[in-house]
Amino acid sequence: AQSVSQHNHHVILSEAASLELGCNYSYGGTVNLFWYVQYPGQHLQLLLKYFSGDPLVKGIKGFEAEFIKSKFSFNLRKPSVQWSDTAEYFCAVKGPSSASKIIFGSGTRLSIRP
Amino acid sequence: NAGVMQNPRHLVRRRGQEARLRCSPMKGHSHVYWYRQLPEEGLKFMVYLQKENIIDESGMPKERFSAEFPKEGPSILRIQQVVRGDSAAYFCASSPADTGTNSNQPQHFGDGTRLSIL
Repeated sequence: AQSVSQHNHHVILSEAASLELGCNYSYGGTVNLFWYVQYPGQHLQLLLKYFSGDPLVKGIKGFEAEFIKSKFSFNLRKPSVQWSDTAEYFCAVKGPSSASKIIFGSGTRLSIRP
Repeated sequence: NAGVMQNPRHLVRRRGQEARLRCSPMKGHSHVYWYRQLPEEGLKFMVYLQKENIIDESGMPKERFSAEFPKEGPSILRIQQVVRGDSAAYFCASSPADTGTNSNQPQHFGDGTRLSIL
């Protein structure tokens, strides 16, 4: 069955700390991988995506993620978080065609202490 | 350069009434997706539509829920005879068709409609 697991439901960090949010997926065949962010009261915004090529992808606002095919993982990282990074983060997976639906993880709430 | 537009932002209905949620995709986008987000949960896929066609409705409840994306006008998600369990945030996303250099386009999301059932 297709699924996405985000093991950390709530992460609390201090400003300037390093961040890594875990994401594991189960999906047969070629996958496209995404991280979306949802700031309080706002819609989902795309942070970064992986379709093919370099498994280390860089996104907006200093975020990056690494696709490790052997581990079925796509963890999100940021070397130094800011208070403005407080939000909910969703990992998602999708098949290669436009007819493929996005499957989301349950999300990780990130709280940054000023 | 409007993004995906959803209205209303908030909708309150009493049990048994009908709820109609609207979604206008981004300009140039012909694919629309509806997702539901229950409290403390991630988004769950409901339905994927192209103009006048339902492509994948595997996430739609079998009863009371329907969706359309007519040739003209917004996509509509319709919930008949609403119940308390329908309370959720409903998000619409759109993407352009996968053609040539536009293949594998990510989906762009609207602000969502928060449906509350009294």
